[in-house]
Amino acid sequence: GESVGLHLPTLSVQEGDNSIINCAYSNSASDYFIWYKQESGKGPQFIIDIRSNMDKRQGQRVTVLLNKTVKHLSLQIAATQPGDSAVYFCAENYVQTGANNLFFGTGTRLTVIP
Amino acid sequence: DAGVTQSPTHLIKTRGQQVTLRCSPKSGHDTVSWYQQALGQGPQFIFQYYEEEERQRGNFPDRFSGHQFPNYSSELNVNALLLGDSALYLCASSPHRIDGYTFGSGTRLTVV
Repeated sequence: GESVGLHLPTLSVQEGDNSIINCAYSNSASDYFIWYKQESGKGPQFIIDIRSNMDKRQGQRVTVLLNKTVKHLSLQIAATQPGDSAVYFCAENYVQTGANNLFFGTGTRLTVIP
Repeated sequence: DAGVTQSPTHLIKTRGQQVTLRCSPKSGHDTVSWYQQALGQGPQFIFQYYEEEERQRGNFPDRFSGHQFPNYSSELNVNALLLGDSALYLCASSPHRIDGYTFGSGTRLTVV
């Protein structure tokens, strides 16, 4: 299957600033996208998701934007905090033969500078 | 409410050996998927189980096999271990046909 990729492997931001993490996907059949946060020694933790019939979705301090025209996904984190330091993955999900699985990109490491 | 639990948390095996990893899904979830995450990489889909059958498989050799039990728990077996099998193995569960997974914390497998 086609893979999801990320533009930047690392991102450093000052505490209190906004963070933007970008992701490109290539499978036009994907209809559901998820952002995960992974801290050291832990499994991926769900942050926010969006379906292909939407272009924006907001959560608590996070916003996901989907641009289907250029197959681009972004995660915006408002007022970034030290606890936001982690690796962030976008993943795409499409149904195959009655099952579904996630395709992950390499990830972006976010470092928040106090 | 317990989430996804995996055991063991860490494991060291010798090349050529066999290993079994275990996963208990989140309460209410009947579908279990396994992922391999190499260091510095994103998780890669191995396979998914529902109703005790393998429903979908990623690009992994037959050395990787699995099983799902009537209580929805699952095992991942890897035979003839290679050094390249060293990775974090993640189990994820979900309700069937519902998007989005809950991941466990993984089993760190080191093959020496």
